Amino acid sequence: DTGVSQDPRHKITKRGQNVTFRCDPISEHNRLYWYRQTLGQGPEFLTYFQNEAQLEKSRLLSDRFSAERPKGSFSTLEIQRTEQGDSAMYLCASSLGQGRNNEQFFGPGTRLTVL
Amino acid sequence: QQQVKQSPQSLIVQKGGIPIINCAYENTAFDYFPWYQQFPGKGPALLIAIRPDVSEKKEGRFTISFNKSAKQFSLHIMDSQPGDSATYFCAAQPNDYKLSFGAGTTVTVRA
Repeated sequence: DTGVSQDPRHKITKRGQNVTFRCDPISEHNRLYWYRQTLGQGPEFLTYFQNEAQLEKSRLLSDRFSAERPKGSFSTLEIQRTEQGDSAMYLCASSLGQGRNNEQFFGPGTRLTVL
Repeated sequence: QQQVKQSPQSLIVQKGGIPIINCAYENTAFDYFPWYQQFPGKGPALLIAIRPDVSEKKEGRFTISFNKSAKQFSLHIMDSQPGDSATYFCAAQPNDYKLSFGAGTTVTVRA
């Protein structure tokens, strides 16, 4: 257990529905990252926050995706109008974000299946 | 476009053998190179990491070798055990930023 928690662990939804995932990082970590991992591949970067500020969004993050970190603590990732291609493991990671202390620790992930 | 190329895709060794996983990168801005271990249905777990100012780092049975001029690095698992059977990912990061992962290597250690 890295101290990063994600909820839910599994989500099955029908195409067109909206889903929201939550990530609770390690408490003193300033940076929070979202990655997506499809079967047989390495995680791919989606977006990251420094405290409550969203600093970058990948091209993978279409306008159906939105992420927030309202008080610089937990974060949510929402996918609107889900498509079958959104089926993946959504991973959250956190780090101290202090120069060389930049180890990223991952949560267990949320497995999304879009039917 | 994958910024970190990882090989092999899979490998099988006998207990006590030394699986070796290789990674290569092009982006000279990368300055931090971690390895992650992932079991099915779990998130990646940080195993060991290296910076380009050293050529080798050991932690327990895991060793990273780093060749800055060739822009290559590798993971060796000494005295491998069946419990080491997992998928291993190399990654690279520039300046305290997002990670770029390799495609992963599935290691199977047979008893």
